[in-house]
Amino acid sequence: GQSLEQPSEVTAVEGAIVQINCTYQTSGFYGLSWYQQHDGGAPTFLSYNALDGLEETGRFSSFLSRSDSYGYLLLQELQMKDSASYFCAVPGSGNTGKLIFGQGTTLQVKP
Amino acid sequence: DTEVTQTPKHLVMGMTNKKSLKCEQHMGHRAMYWYKQKAKKPPELMFVYSYEKLSINESVPSRFSPECPNSSLLNLHLHALQPEDSALYLCASSQGLAGAPGSEQFFGPGTRLTVL
Repeated sequence: GQSLEQPSEVTAVEGAIVQINCTYQTSGFYGLSWYQQHDGGAPTFLSYNALDGLEETGRFSSFLSRSDSYGYLLLQELQMKDSASYFCAVPGSGNTGKLIFGQGTTLQVKP
Repeated sequence: DTEVTQTPKHLVMGMTNKKSLKCEQHMGHRAMYWYKQKAKKPPELMFVYSYEKLSINESVPSRFSPECPNSSLLNLHLHALQPEDSALYLCASSQGLAGAPGSEQFFGPGTRLTVL
């Protein structure tokens, strides 16, 4: 089967750096994605890593280590608007279109 | 246009009603998805359409019936729902299927469904 694990909650202060980890178990691997979802909103794509290493997009970076079946999302210079749920996700086995989401990490940014 | 639209935003229906949810995208995406999301939970895949053909049905009860009239539209027909079907229903689209290049999914704002 396929599963992903991520912490359920993380709290940090404005201006800080926070790292949200994700470990996965998959029968094949086609990349790790991250999505952000604000309360009452739709998930929004943040990043996708297919190869090992760090991908940077502005204040957000995502890292992947395929040998460790591990990735993380790094958020820098936290702002109040970053308070949201963050989901890691992997494609299901085979090119079926299925995306399997982790349970989500609720990030609370405090002043 | 990089938007997925969904109508209605909110829907309240009785268990004997028939209603439809609509989803539209004009990004030329060839894959479209229906998800169900309960509060504080991740989106749960229901159906995948690829090139207007149903490619995945995640063992969804037959009271949910998807339809893809053309490459831009996706409907979800609802009939004889149960109160436990109350949830946020999200539509998404992507250029490629998950795992392929360009497979990031664009989500619509969702329809919040309440079944009485």
